[in-house]
Amino acid sequence: EVQLQESGPGLVKPSQSLSLTCSVTGYSITSNYWGWIRKFPGNKMEWMGYISYSGSTSYNPSLKSRISITRDTSKNQFFLQLNSVTTEDTATYYCARGTGSPWGPGTMVTVSS
Amino acid sequence: DVVMTQTPVSLSLAIGQPASISCKSSQSLVHSDGKTYLSWILQRPGQSPKRLIYLVSKLDSGVPDRFSGSGSETEFTLKISRVEAEDLGVYYCWQATHFPQTFGGGTKLELK
Repeated sequence: EVQLQESGPGLVKPSQSLSLTCSVTGYSITSNYWGWIRKFPGNKMEWMGYISYSGSTSYNPSLKSRISITRDTSKNQFFLQLNSVTTEDTATYYCARGTGSPWGPGTMVTVSS
Repeated sequence: DVVMTQTPVSLSLAIGQPASISCKSSQSLVHSDGKTYLSWILQRPGQSPKRLIYLVSKLDSGVPDRFSGSGSETEFTLKISRVEAEDLGVYYCWQATHFPQTFGGGTKLELK
């Protein structure tokens, strides 16, 4: 069974970087696509980007040059880094395989001083 | 970006009643490969989202057959033949045909 688990700090200060890890078990990240999606307070969902089986990446232009998704195939993990965060980046962050099956349980990140 | 418009925003139904959620896209969701990358996901209270349907009408493994998806081009529908208690939550449509991927605003299903 494929399982994903997000981890990382729950509180980040404005202007700093948000860094999250998605640990995958039961499936190799060298197959398929692996993405990050966030849900803002109030239900709005935003696709942030993905890293492919080959290591290529694709990012939502709304995040401009703030986002980076990388991976460690030896640990079967992939990572999200979002730079220069503001309070508007407060959300629950999810990692997911492909187009949404399955998702991790999510991790809530608050941006606040 | 492709705008995904879901209606209604909320739905209050009794157990056993049918449900229907509409999702309209601002552009055709037919990809150049001929497939339509439209999915439906459900987020139950306190849980992470779960995909129910992909490629418009294909049910994910373990999803009850009271759920069905239909539609084409720019208009899509999720139907529940008879609502059960476990169906409550927020439903989203999600397109992956066009870059960037985008979601509908969500439909909250509550039990009456």
